[in-house]
Amino acid sequence: QLQLQESGPGLVKPSETLSLTCTVSGGSISSSRYYWGWIRQPPGQGLEWIGSIYHSANTYYNPSLKSRITISIDTPKNQFSLRLSSVTAADTAVYYCALHQWVVENYFDYWGQGALVTVSS
Amino acid sequence: DIQMTQSPSSLSASVGDGVTITCRASQSISSYLNWYQQTPGKAPKLLIYAASTLQSGVPSRFSGSGSGTDFTLTISSLQPKDFATYYCQQSFSTPYTFGQGTKLEIK
Repeated sequence: QLQLQESGPGLVKPSETLSLTCTVSGGSISSSRYYWGWIRQPPGQGLEWIGSIYHSANTYYNPSLKSRITISIDTPKNQFSLRLSSVTAADTAVYYCALHQWVVENYFDYWGQGALVTVSS
Repeated sequence: DIQMTQSPSSLSASVGDGVTITCRASQSISSYLNWYQQTPGKAPKLLIYAASTLQSGVPSRFSGSGSGTDFTLTISSLQPKDFATYYCQQSFSTPYTFGQGTKLEIK
């Protein structure tokens, strides 16, 4: 059974960089079948796709965040990571990592439990 | 970006009822439409992908239909665990976008 787990600081100061890591267990992050994605959800609000990465490091970003985000993959550690720079209070959200099935159909299958990141001084 | 609009935003129903949630895309997305269920404090759970394909392990009382711009999620015979928030999501083109959610509450 594939499992994903987000980790990282729960509090980030305005203008600094948010960094989160997703550790994948029960499967290989280098599988050619999967992409890996980040999705966020501000408190009490809806879901926003941040971006996705393939094991070859091909990335796809939401244009609304593209200038500030970097998604990377660490195959030996079976992890992928999100960095979001110049954060503001609007970036306060629960951040989810997810397995992104993208072969014929395209959907987010397995999800991590989520990590709440608060942007505050 | 493709805008996804769900209706209603909230819905009250009783255990045993059947309900339908609608999702409309701002342009044609073929059948690239997914449905998720989210309970408070939990991650979304995939229910249906490609508009009508039931994810493994999801009860058959959930069904999806539609193509192009108009889609529906139907839940027949509501069970207590079905009271949650439901989101549609288009996977036709990036940026992938979600509907605003439909909160299903117990009447």
